[in-house]
Amino acid sequence: GQSLEQPSEVTAVEGAIVQINCTYQTSGFYGLSWYQQHDGGAPTFLSYNALDGLEETGRFSSFLSRSDSYGYLLLQELQMKDSASYFCAVEAAGNKLTFGGGTRVLVKP
Amino acid sequence: NAGVTQTPKFQVLKTGQSMTLQCAQDMNHNSMYWYRQDPGMGLRLIYYSASEGTTDKGEVPNGYNVSRLNKREFSLRLESAAPSQTSVYFCASSEGGDETQYFGPGTRLLVL
Repeated sequence: GQSLEQPSEVTAVEGAIVQINCTYQTSGFYGLSWYQQHDGGAPTFLSYNALDGLEETGRFSSFLSRSDSYGYLLLQELQMKDSASYFCAVEAAGNKLTFGGGTRVLVKP
Repeated sequence: NAGVTQTPKFQVLKTGQSMTLQCAQDMNHNSMYWYRQDPGMGLRLIYYSASEGTTDKGEVPNGYNVSRLNKREFSLRLESAAPSQTSVYFCASSEGGDETQYFGPGTRLLVL
């Protein structure tokens, strides 16, 4: 089976940097994805790591260490619109995803 | 392109009633998925379909059935709704080799 752990909530001010950690236990691992979900909305894809290292997409970066079963999402230059829930998800065969419980990020002025 | 569409947006059922949630995608994706999301929690996979004509169970399939009607459409049926099935249901699709899943807007279901 799969299990993932991530912090439940993070609060930061505009312009700050936030790191959301995700640790996982899995019986089959293809990669680690990150999704963003605004209140009342649908999840939207942010990034994916299959190999160790850092992937950068604009203000957001994602990191993976397969040997440590650990990844993180880095949100830089926080904006009010970044207030949302962020989910890590482990990919298994068939692109099946197992999601973590989500981290609620609150950005304050 | 509309992407992934779901109907209905909201539904209230009484315990024991049945209903079908509809999902369609216009991106020509092979794989489709049904998830449920309970308040303050992550999404859990109910069923998925890797291609037209195939379906398989996910993490929480009990109480649900699915039909992959064609490549575009994937429906989820509750035969006898229970209060524990009160949730938000999301449909998603993806293309083989692409790790991105595209989600529909969700169906909010309340079972009384």
